[in-house]
Amino acid sequence: GQQLNQSPQSMFIQEGEDVSMNCTSSSIFNTWLWYKQDPGEGPVLLIALYKAGELTSNGRLTAQFGITRKDSFLNISASIPSDVGIYFCAGHTRGSNYKLTFGKGTLLTVNP
Amino acid sequence: DARVTQTPRHKVTEMGQEVTMRCQPILGHNTVFWYRQTMMQGLELLAYFRNRAPLDDSGMPKDRFSAEMPDATLATLKIQPSEPRDSAVYFCASGLETGYQPQHFGDGTRLSIL
Repeated sequence: GQQLNQSPQSMFIQEGEDVSMNCTSSSIFNTWLWYKQDPGEGPVLLIALYKAGELTSNGRLTAQFGITRKDSFLNISASIPSDVGIYFCAGHTRGSNYKLTFGKGTLLTVNP
Repeated sequence: DARVTQTPRHKVTEMGQEVTMRCQPILGHNTVFWYRQTMMQGLELLAYFRNRAPLDDSGMPKDRFSAEMPDATLATLKIQPSEPRDSAVYFCASGLETGYQPQHFGDGTRLSIL
């Protein structure tokens, strides 16, 4: 089946720093989604991307749908302590019948 | 904001017991997904429904797991008999099938089988 390679697996940064994480695949994706999961809660949708090359922002978060349709990145600018959590990329591939493929997640720790 | 509601939030029981987890999808959503999350495997899709019909349950151990949607406002995931290896967080998500709309997750049921 399709696999998403998400990197890095974990990051430990200082408050105020910018963060970048990405996902790559050998398969073509029709959508790219970025979720954040806080401890004890379910993943919450941050950004949804639907077109190759699309660049979308949500506050301090920016995500892009790669031109090749096989990758996506998420940037967080000026990180704050509440950005701590696990970030997941996910997407629909052609013929997925609405099933999402998920990355393994990036654990972000922000040191105040 | 509308949210997916899952009950119970926590469940601790002894192996061999039946476990039932419930999910109320967001009103108007016609796809429902059940996931299991563990440290080792991450998020695994167990089963999903469209318009209450099961589309795919290939991720689910058939001998002990069953998933149903008695009506559009309720999805259930049952484990009988439960085993310690079933301990995990189980998430329900719902969405709209049109245009690859994103799935929205509930806060999960944290299941511990002793």
